[in-house]
Amino acid sequence: NAGVTQTPKFQVLKTGQSMTLQCAQDMNHNSMYWYRQDPGMGLRLIYYSASEGTTDKGEVPNGYNVSRLNKREFSLRLESAAPSQTSVYFCASLRANYGYTFGSGTRLTVV
Amino acid sequence: DQQVKQNSPSLSVQEGRISILNCDYTNSMFDYFLWYKKYPAEGPTFLISISSIKDKNEDGRFTVFLNKSAKHLSLHIVPSQPGDSAVYFCAAKALQGAQKLVFGQGTRLTINP
Repeated sequence: NAGVTQTPKFQVLKTGQSMTLQCAQDMNHNSMYWYRQDPGMGLRLIYYSASEGTTDKGEVPNGYNVSRLNKREFSLRLESAAPSQTSVYFCASLRANYGYTFGSGTRLTVV
Repeated sequence: DQQVKQNSPSLSVQEGRISILNCDYTNSMFDYFLWYKKYPAEGPTFLISISSIKDKNEDGRFTVFLNKSAKHLSLHIVPSQPGDSAVYFCAAKALQGAQKLVFGQGTRLTINP
């Protein structure tokens, strides 16, 4: 099925642990994005990749790193998780004139 | 600085009536606006969009209106159906740059039978 696939769907981390959220799209889109969704805050951009080999910071990049492994894959890494990073994370790729196609999200809890 | 604002966190509407969701923006460089719908435990899905050169775009029961002078857009759903109950996000992007979308906080729409 065409679309954006995120793994894992759920994760619980202890403060200070690290993890990588995986995202892959099979629509041959150039641009990919990572957002976080928090209550009352909407969706905020963490990092994005306008094309393979490039990455840029978004609105809330602190505490995160990204890798655009190839055109299909864009991963988000938390090096030392903090409770403030408890959120729902969405990966998206750009579909021209229709905005983004989103994955189903990763619900992360940091305790 | 919230560039896209949805000032109503929630809205409750009777089935069959009109639902009107509102969105305001501050950045005059925005030239393309979109509405997304989100169900629990799913990612947002594209609903309807409008370019800044238009003031109205219609797709079935959904119509988006854009008032550039007021920096305001609205989404009308007529008639409202129970399946329309979801969170709706307004989003905007500028023509120039990396095609980043800026989202509002979302409005939770509940359609009552």
